[in-house]
Amino acid sequence: EVHLLESGGGLVQPGGSLRLSCAASGFTFSSYAMSWVRQAPGKGLEWVSIISANGGSTYYADSVKGRFTISRDNSKNTLYLQMNTLRADDTAVYYCAKNHGTTLPEYWGQGTLVTVSS
Amino acid sequence: QSALTQPASVSGSPGQSITISCTGTSSDIGGYNYVSWYQQHPGKAPKLILYNVSDRPSGVSNRFSGSKSGNTASLTISGLQAEDEADYYCTSYSGSSTRVFGGGTKLTVL
Repeated sequence: EVHLLESGGGLVQPGGSLRLSCAASGFTFSSYAMSWVRQAPGKGLEWVSIISANGGSTYYADSVKGRFTISRDNSKNTLYLQMNTLRADDTAVYYCAKNHGTTLPEYWGQGTLVTVSS
Repeated sequence: QSALTQPASVSGSPGQSITISCTGTSSDIGGYNYVSWYQQHPGKAPKLILYNVSDRPSGVSNRFSGSKSGNTASLTISGLQAEDEADYYCTSYSGSSTRVFGGGTKLTVL
C-alpha cells in the first residue's frame, strides 16, 4: 500500500524559508516521478512542482519559480520542497503525491500546513 | 498557467445524474487527452477518480464517467449517492511537464 507522510510545515514569517519532507513507502520510490500540490485554506488545488524519477528533471509553477526547489533522495525514499522568500499567499496545505506517468498526481499524502504570517 | 473553469457548485437528488464541466484552452484541455478528475471530502486528501479523460483507476465506481469536447471536459456521476457529496477538481496537462487545476466544484446531494 502506498503511504506518503509529509512533514516540516509550520508558521514562518514573510521572507523566511522552510523545507518540507515527504517520506514514501509501499512502492519503489526511485521508479516514479513525484509532485507537490498545495491548497490554500478554503480554496482549490494548485499544482506546484514535479520531479522526475531520477531527479534529473524538475518543473515549477510560475508562482513559485525561482523561490522553491524540489529534490529527492532515492536512497532515503524521501521527497523535499525547499521554500525560500515565502509570502503570505504561499499559505496552504502542501501535499506530496506519487505520479501516474510523468505528471499526474495519483496517490496523495495527508498534507502539511504552511502558514506565512508575521 | 491560468486555472481551468468549473462551476462553483452543483446539486442533485439521490439516484439522479449530474455533470460537472471543466473549461480550458487549446493549450491544455484542447491540446491533450490528459484530463483527470479528483474527489475530495472535507479534511481529506484528493482521490483520483478519472484519468486520460475517461479511464477509471482500479476500485473506482463505474458511476463516474468522463468525456471531452474541444476545450471542455466533463465529469458525469450517475446514480447519485450521499457519499458522492464532496468537492471535485479537474486537472489537465498543459505542456512542458506542467499541470493546471480547475477551481473546484462543490457537489451537494439533496
